[in-house]
Amino acid sequence: KQEVTQIPAALSVPEGENLVLNCSFTDSAIYNLQWFRQDPGKGLTSLLLIQSSQREQTSGRLNASLDKSSGRSTLYIAASQPGDSATYLCAPLQSYGNQFYFGTGTSLTVIP
Amino acid sequence: NAGVTQTPKFQVLKTGQSMTLQCAQDMNHEYMSWYRQDPGMGLRLIHYSVGAGITDQGEVPNGYNVSRSTTEDFPLRLLSAAPSQTSVYFCASSYLYAYGYTFGSGTRLTVV
Repeated sequence: KQEVTQIPAALSVPEGENLVLNCSFTDSAIYNLQWFRQDPGKGLTSLLLIQSSQREQTSGRLNASLDKSSGRSTLYIAASQPGDSATYLCAPLQSYGNQFYFGTGTSLTVIP
Repeated sequence: NAGVTQTPKFQVLKTGQSMTLQCAQDMNHEYMSWYRQDPGMGLRLIHYSVGAGITDQGEVPNGYNVSRSTTEDFPLRLLSAAPSQTSVYFCASSYLYAYGYTFGSGTRLTVV
């Protein structure tokens, strides 16, 4: 079974800082990896999708990288804002078994 | 475009009662799935469907039943609710399995 670990579990930073969220997974047999954001009491919002053949994907201030062979992905957030405060989840999509496996997330607080 | 719609948003059940959580999508997505989210455990797959008339079990299927009579709808049935089923339930859909996923806003279920 795929094991997904996200480090750190919680992070508190002042506004304006650049930050990196880490995700590691044990099984490299994946189609893609998706990063989600979850606000308290809300559903998941997709941020970035990286196909297994890609190395990175960018959207605005967000950049996600994927090293499938080493089982790692990072989400880089540039110039953080209070509105970025949320829990960030990474989810590799298995190429067999028909499912995502989710990490427990990184809870981010950006202090004004 | 409504995306993925889940109803109800909140529900309290007594042990032994049955109920159906509704999920509907208007994006003509073939793949639909149900996840539960529990503190400290991440999201876990309950059941999924790759198209109308086709369903299969995920990681934690016991106590739940699904059917898929149309492309749009994928209801989740709790047959006899137990306190261990207290959780937040999310429905997700995708055009095809290896594409990006859209999540609903969730149903918070409490079984007393």
